[in-house]
Amino acid sequence: AQKVTQAQTEISVVEKEDVTLDCVYETRDTTYYLFWYKQPPSGELVFLIRRNSFDEQNEISGRYSWNFQKSTSSFNFTITASQVVDSAVYFCALSERQTGANNLFFGTGTRLTVIP
Amino acid sequence: DAGVIQSPRHEVTEMGQEVTLRCKPISGHDYLFWYRQTMMRGLELLIYFNNNVPIDDSGMPEDRFSAKMPNASFSTLKIQPSEPRDSAVYFCASSLGQVGTEAFFGQGTRLTVV
Repeated sequence: AQKVTQAQTEISVVEKEDVTLDCVYETRDTTYYLFWYKQPPSGELVFLIRRNSFDEQNEISGRYSWNFQKSTSSFNFTITASQVVDSAVYFCALSERQTGANNLFFGTGTRLTVIP
Repeated sequence: DAGVIQSPRHEVTEMGQEVTLRCKPISGHDYLFWYRQTMMRGLELLIYFNNNVPIDDSGMPEDRFSAKMPNASFSTLKIQPSEPRDSAVYFCASSLGQVGTEAFFGQGTRLTVV
């Protein structure tokens, strides 16, 4: 079963627009962790944020913010005032305590293009 | 720290040849992961190690794939014999042992089998 769903395959926005990337997850574990990674055109995977299942407090880091809602099993990512450098593929990922380690189940990614 | 280091960055080989991918994890990390990224299957976990011991290799496609971690600072992923369908980007990642700790990825090895 798909554990992480990123329904948006590609999104294009004009620079300075806000954009939200959706992530819906599925798990039976009561303790789990959610992540966002960025993959810029250069190809590396860059860690952005981690949240655990007991902490639903939203987080803001500069132009980035994350909205975690257990009621809807969602962990959405918003970029405010997007910039060309934000163009990348963004992956949402899940790890579960029951698997005993930090192996990540990745979504299929959302390709964000910011048009100047 | 230099981060996770993978080599080579790019590899082009002919079908049937042996390919060895290398990884040096972040010093002090006790978990090491090998992932593969393809257009069709996305990012998938192949195998992971804890303290140099393979824990779960259920993601390894078939017997042509093997991975080793002879010490805490080095791991290899070997494909023998290679096939065109093995063409992908292979990522190595490492993390600390606490569950839920983020994994840090290397820059990947882009493998092309012709």
